Amino acid sequence: RKEVEQDPGPFNVPEGATVAFNCTYSNSASQSFFWYRQDCRKEPKLLMSVYSSGNEDGRFTAQLNRASQYISLLIRDSKLSDSATYLCVVNRGGADGLTFGKGTHLIIQP
Amino acid sequence: GAVVSQHPSRVICKSGTSVKIECRSLDFQATTMFWYRQFPKQSLMLMATSNEGSKATYEQGVEKDKFLINHASLTLSTLTVTSAHPEDSSFYICSAKPGAGSNQPQHFGDGTRLSIL
Repeated sequence: RKEVEQDPGPFNVPEGATVAFNCTYSNSASQSFFWYRQDCRKEPKLLMSVYSSGNEDGRFTAQLNRASQYISLLIRDSKLSDSATYLCVVNRGGADGLTFGKGTHLIIQP
Repeated sequence: GAVVSQHPSRVICKSGTSVKIECRSLDFQATTMFWYRQFPKQSLMLMATSNEGSKATYEQGVEKDKFLINHASLTLSTLTVTSAHPEDSSFYICSAKPGAGSNQPQHFGDGTRLSIL
């Protein structure tokens, strides 16, 4: 089983729609969770950290379910500029190195 | 915000050449930096953890004699790909985080696209 699994997509979504991504992780010792976005041939950029209580940052909402080892990201009122690959990222328990999912490719269509 | 600078951004060289990549934390000190590699359409994979003043910790399957890491100061880590071959062609990215604690997010450099002919 992969350490971090995501649906690769692509998700083709009309502008203004709401879209949700899911991710599961296998290492129950993971303590920190993040969503990064990566544009084509660029470095990953932090979108938001994910907290157990759930957290929101503008149009973006992240949820964590530790029991199910499941992370989600919700994007409301999607913009053309939201088109990117969204990476689900967890730390590796005692170590600080990060484990990345392969990413979910999102395409916002006008 | 925290800024990590990586240089060079692009390298094209012949097989057998050694290539050095620098990673700098510009506005914070980083006792630990991380080196990742990403092959096309694959996820980023951690190669090694660079520790200031001590030896790097390498992930399973990553040759320490092939990928030399030096972390001589709190703001600079270097990765040297020795005697590079075409299969080493990849996107190499470093990261660092400004604070202690695993809940601190890592900030990434711009990445180095390495092409070995």
